[in-house]
Amino acid sequence: DVKVTQSSRYLVKRTGEKVFLECVQDMDHENMFWYRQDPGLGLRLIYFSYDVKMKEKGDIPEGYSVSREKKERFSLILESASTNQTSMYLCASSYRREDYYGYTFGSGTRLTVV
Amino acid sequence: AQSVTQPDIHITVSEGASLELRCNYSYGATPYLFWYVQSPGQGLQLLLKYFSGDTLVQGIKGFEAEFKRSQSSFNLRKPSVHWSDAAEYFCAVGSSASKIIFGSGTRLSIRP
Repeated sequence: DVKVTQSSRYLVKRTGEKVFLECVQDMDHENMFWYRQDPGLGLRLIYFSYDVKMKEKGDIPEGYSVSREKKERFSLILESASTNQTSMYLCASSYRREDYYGYTFGSGTRLTVV
Repeated sequence: AQSVTQPDIHITVSEGASLELRCNYSYGATPYLFWYVQSPGQGLQLLLKYFSGDTLVQGIKGFEAEFKRSQSSFNLRKPSVHWSDAAEYFCAVGSSASKIIFGSGTRLSIRP
């Protein structure tokens, strides 16, 4: 089975810190995604990438950036963490842009900004 | 614009009873529809998906869903729930796997 691994399950960071959330998938998937999940709001797409060094903004990119230097790794960066970025962050991947098999998700990183 | 509505925020069902979780979507063309389940503290797992063909779709863990174009609905059903089904369920719609929009989720509790 394809595996999507998020490096941390829980993180506590201070306001103003630069935060890196790492995601690695092991099945050669082309597409990778970052979502944040908040109660009552469901999942909201932050950024996604169809290929190495490619990135596209999702619905809520403000305050975030991403990096995809290798196909298997997709990093989410909070340039200057703020308390309103306290959330559950979910990484996902899918095989090809034209494939309709849905996503495989990581277990999530619960980030608290204090 | 695409959108997904899950009108029930929280549902409680007795163990062994039947279950139906509602999902309505808005999309101009034929949608691709998904149901995901999220256990506490975990990521999302794909339960089932509909792309075309038979409108009754079978998934994992004994779940099924029915696509009704006239009602713009894709409701999830299970004939007899188990305590392990307690989780949050997300309906999703997309024009392709590369852009999927998720509903806000329905939390399912199971009464012993």
